[in-house]
Amino acid sequence: EVQLLESGGGLVQPGGSLRLSCAASGFTFSSYGMTWVRQAPGKGLEWVSSTSNSGGSTYYTDSVRGRFTISRDNSKNTLYLQLNSLKAEDTAMYYCAKASASATSSPFDYWGQGALVTVSS
Amino acid sequence: EIVLTQSPATLSLSPGERATLSCRASQGVNSNLAWYRQKAGQAPRLLMYDASNRAAGIPARFSGSGSGTDFTLTISSLEPEDFAVYYCQQRNNWPLTFGGGTKVEIK
Repeated sequence: EVQLLESGGGLVQPGGSLRLSCAASGFTFSSYGMTWVRQAPGKGLEWVSSTSNSGGSTYYTDSVRGRFTISRDNSKNTLYLQLNSLKAEDTAMYYCAKASASATSSPFDYWGQGALVTVSS
Repeated sequence: EIVLTQSPATLSLSPGERATLSCRASQGVNSNLAWYRQKAGQAPRLLMYDASNRAAGIPARFSGSGSGTDFTLTISSLEPEDFAVYYCQQRNNWPLTFGGGTKVEIK
């Protein structure tokens, strides 16, 4: 059974940092691209960042480029998102999601339950 | 960036009725469009991929159509679990983008 379990969310002050983790199990982690999607309270889904199966290619939405860093450790079956210089508008539930096929941009067939990030003073 | 516009924003229907949801792309995305359903308090779930293919475990009451810029998700007969928010998402170009969602509510 595929499982994705996010951790690392919490309350952080503006300008602060946080690292989210997504522990994966039930599939060959190193074979699939992975993605972070966020959802602000009461709002829709927003794609944040994706990484290829090897981690060699990464992609970001413009609003987080230069502040967030996606990475993965295939030996630990874990995906990460480092969030720096956080702003109030980064407040959201952050979901990790698995690509359904080898292409990094493949549709997301499994999602975690999310990690809540709140940016507030 | 490709903008996806979903309509209507809210659809009020009764169980057993047919639901038709629309997603329009600001530029062509070929058939590289997926649909997700998100129930309240839950993570999204993949329903359709490549515009017209049902994901694993998705019942036949869900169907998708379209290519290029205009796409439709049809639910032939609404079940109680179908009252939720639906999102389309394109993967034709980076950045990946989602539509704003259509809420299907009980009339």
